[in-house]
Amino acid sequence: GESVGLHLPTLSVQEGDNSIINCAYSNSASDYFIWYKQESGKGPQFIIDIRSNMDKRQGQRVTVLLNKTVKHLSLQIAATQPGDSAVYFCAVMRFGGYNKLIFGAGTRLAVHP
Amino acid sequence: EAQVTQNPRYLITVTGKKLTVTCSQNMNHEYMSWYRQDPGLGLRQIYYSMNVEVTDKGDVPEGYKVSRKEKRNFPLILESPSPNQTSLYFCASSSPSRSSSYNEQFFGPGTRLTVL
Repeated sequence: GESVGLHLPTLSVQEGDNSIINCAYSNSASDYFIWYKQESGKGPQFIIDIRSNMDKRQGQRVTVLLNKTVKHLSLQIAATQPGDSAVYFCAVMRFGGYNKLIFGAGTRLAVHP
Repeated sequence: EAQVTQNPRYLITVTGKKLTVTCSQNMNHEYMSWYRQDPGLGLRQIYYSMNVEVTDKGDVPEGYKVSRKEKRNFPLILESPSPNQTSLYFCASSSPSRSSSYNEQFFGPGTRLTVL
């Protein structure tokens, strides 16, 4: 079946450094790739998405890179701040019917002053 | 404020005692779904609904029921809860994609359920 995996369950960074969170997926037919941020005690929140016909997309302080050749997705956070501390999930989606999301296990990002 | 609400937020119960977790959204979304979140496994879909009276199984539906009698509400029912259903549950809603673009799923705050 389809699977999504993250390379590291935890990532510790110094405040001000750049963070890179990685994700691998199994289904080359996936249409959309999405990153979510989950803060303690809250539900996941959308950060950024990228379509399968793109390889890079930038938002505010975040960049998502998609490498379809190796089925790898990454989230880069520039100038990481304490407020970025959270669990980050990647999810993949294939269009058709319900547009179901398949989530990875999550990476906990800890930002140290 | 656009939101998805869940009740209760925390629940401790005993094996076999029927319970319902409510979910409500005020965004007029057609799609709603339930997920459970367990350590190391991410979010797994339990059930989803594409519209009123239209529901279908997700990846882990065993032991759960849902209903969608109104567009805004999508309750999750555990007829006979067991300890392996101890988990963190999230309800989410979204609109169907109309232009092959991703329509964001909005998640509720979660319900932490413990079954003793």
